[in-house]
Amino acid sequence: QKEVEQNSGPLSVPEGAIASLNCTYSDRGSQSFFWYRQYSGKSPELIMSIYSNGDKEDGRFTAQLNKASQYVSLLIRDSQPSDSATYLCAVNDYKLSFGAGTTVTVRA
Amino acid sequence: NAGVTQTPKFQVLKTGQSMTLQCAQDMNHNSMYWYRQDPGMGLRLIYYSASEGTTDKGEVPNGYNVSRLNKREFSLRLESAAPSQTSVYFCASRKDGATNEKLFFGSGTQLSVL
Repeated sequence: QKEVEQNSGPLSVPEGAIASLNCTYSDRGSQSFFWYRQYSGKSPELIMSIYSNGDKEDGRFTAQLNKASQYVSLLIRDSQPSDSATYLCAVNDYKLSFGAGTTVTVRA
Repeated sequence: NAGVTQTPKFQVLKTGQSMTLQCAQDMNHNSMYWYRQDPGMGLRLIYYSASEGTTDKGEVPNGYNVSRLNKREFSLRLESAAPSQTSVYFCASRKDGATNEKLFFGSGTQLSVL
């Protein structure tokens, strides 16, 4: 079993809608969780980090963490065409393990 | 600020050839990483260096060697390239291995092995 699993996608949403991305992880002792955005042909860039159970909001992005269920999610509200990218979930077990990514396309 | 600099950006090799990917960071980071990215596979860790003078294997180390030349530089060597090593390679660094430190990525190297 891969350490970090993401919903496979691709995910297509209309402009203005909410995009919901999910991630599960296998190491119950993991403490830090990150969401990176990667545009085609570019390197990943950090958009959210979360360390405690509950929600963390930053602009149109909300990260949710449930350590008991070993689950972390990312919501993108009011999706824009510029949000079209691949979103990578990462879990810090010192090495920082990444999921396979979910590709999001926002339809104008 | 240059951040993390990788060279080359593109490379084509023939099977059996060798090459070294170079990575340097100017942020005084202790930890450095090499990842490869294949379609549908996300980022997979090849090797990492928690601090100058140390290196450790990641998820997919076979066929690669690394050198942490000094605090700034971390190189990845392919001794005998194989088509399975065709991939995009990313170097990354962060201040240290603490769990809440974010990674800074280089711009990537597109490697094709024919």
